[in-house]
Amino acid sequence: QKEVEQNSGPLSVPEGAIASLNCTYSDRGSQSFFWYRQYSGKSPELIMSIYSNGDKEDGRFTAQLNKASQYVSLLIRDSQPSDSATYLCAIDSGGYNKLIFGAGTRLAVHP
Amino acid sequence: DAGVIQSPRHEVTEMGQEVTLRCKPISGHDYLFWYRQTMMRGLELLIYFNNNVPIDDSGMPEDRFSAKMPNASFSTLKIQPSEPRDSAVYFCASSILGQPQHFGDGTRLSIL
Repeated sequence: QKEVEQNSGPLSVPEGAIASLNCTYSDRGSQSFFWYRQYSGKSPELIMSIYSNGDKEDGRFTAQLNKASQYVSLLIRDSQPSDSATYLCAIDSGGYNKLIFGAGTRLAVHP
Repeated sequence: DAGVIQSPRHEVTEMGQEVTLRCKPISGHDYLFWYRQTMMRGLELLIYFNNNVPIDDSGMPEDRFSAKMPNASFSTLKIQPSEPRDSAVYFCASSILGQPQHFGDGTRLSIL
């Protein structure tokens, strides 16, 4: 069983809609959770971090964490074509600053 | 502030040659990570350092791969001898404990 699971997509949403990206993980000891965005041919770029249960909002992005269900999600409101990218979910492993990445979900926002 | 700096950006070489990838972490960051990314396997952690000391090299695929961090501002990843299956994008990232990792632009490696 993979440690971090993501639907590979592509997830296709119309411009202006809400995009919902999901991630499940297996390590109950994980304390830190991150969402990275990666454009084609570019490096991963941090867009959100979340450490406690609940929601965390930053502009059009909202991260949601439920440790009991081992589930973290990313909502993108008012999706734009420029949001089209692969979104990587990452969790810390063992508390040693070591991240485990999911395979990523490809998001396509069409005009 | 300067981010993580990697060189070269692209490397094309023939099978059997030695390849050296370089990384300069963000100043003040005491963790440094080397990743490899391929379409088939995604983003894989190869090795990481804390205060210049290797902490976990369990992701290094085989003895052909080696990594060093002689000081806080420089690290290398070497492949000797290189093989076509080593072709991938190699990323270096750095961080402070408990803080997110910041990635360099990567080195796109092609082994012919």
